[in-house]
Amino acid sequence: DAGVIQSPRHEVTEMGQEVTLRCKPISGHDYLFWYRQTMMRGLELLIYFNNNVPIDDSGMPEDRFSAKMPNASFSTLKIQPSEPRDSAVYFCASSTTVRVGDNEQFFGPGTRLTVL
Amino acid sequence: SQELEQSPQSLIVQEGKNLTINCTSSKTLYGLYWYKQKYGEGLIFLMMLQKGGEEKSHEKITAKLDEKKQQSSLHITASQPSHAGTYLCGADTGNQFYFGTGTSLTVIP
Repeated sequence: DAGVIQSPRHEVTEMGQEVTLRCKPISGHDYLFWYRQTMMRGLELLIYFNNNVPIDDSGMPEDRFSAKMPNASFSTLKIQPSEPRDSAVYFCASSTTVRVGDNEQFFGPGTRLTVL
Repeated sequence: SQELEQSPQSLIVQEGKNLTINCTSSKTLYGLYWYKQKYGEGLIFLMMLQKGGEEKSHEKITAKLDEKKQQSSLHITASQPSHAGTYLCGADTGNQFYFGTGTSLTVIP
């Protein structure tokens, strides 16, 4: 298996533009997680899905952020409009369990977003 | 996050030296997890601790969770350049999950 796949790996955009990050989880994993990592705030859980349904989105910073999972093999995290403070590395992870930290959770390589 | 304090923030050691990284929570933990991250990459799970007093080892890395389940330490024996990276602790407080801010480890050959 190729593991969790994220695209793009790097994204540079201007303030106000829409940004879409993509994730393909590992086949057979029922849970998908979106994280954001910054120097100031560290790693934060934004939202997670179970069987394509959003379960907990309490970590989503504001209405400019939205996430979807139209099917078991694809999820998107969208920021509209983007702001410089959104600059971060965004990780997607998938798992067979919701127990964050169990060794079934696998992380993608991340998308490094820079908003100018 | 303030819920999870990690120390030190960065560490530079000579190859072969031992080192310890600490993770302290303001709340009782249902689970404490250690991860390693290399620059630009995702997290790699290292170990999970759940019981007070629990200790686990993998190769030259040992993690302990104290009896009160509010502090954990990660100890690396005879460090090697391959140990370099950022180590993060993650904590499950029962209703939320937090990550520490990370400890950047550099091992000088």
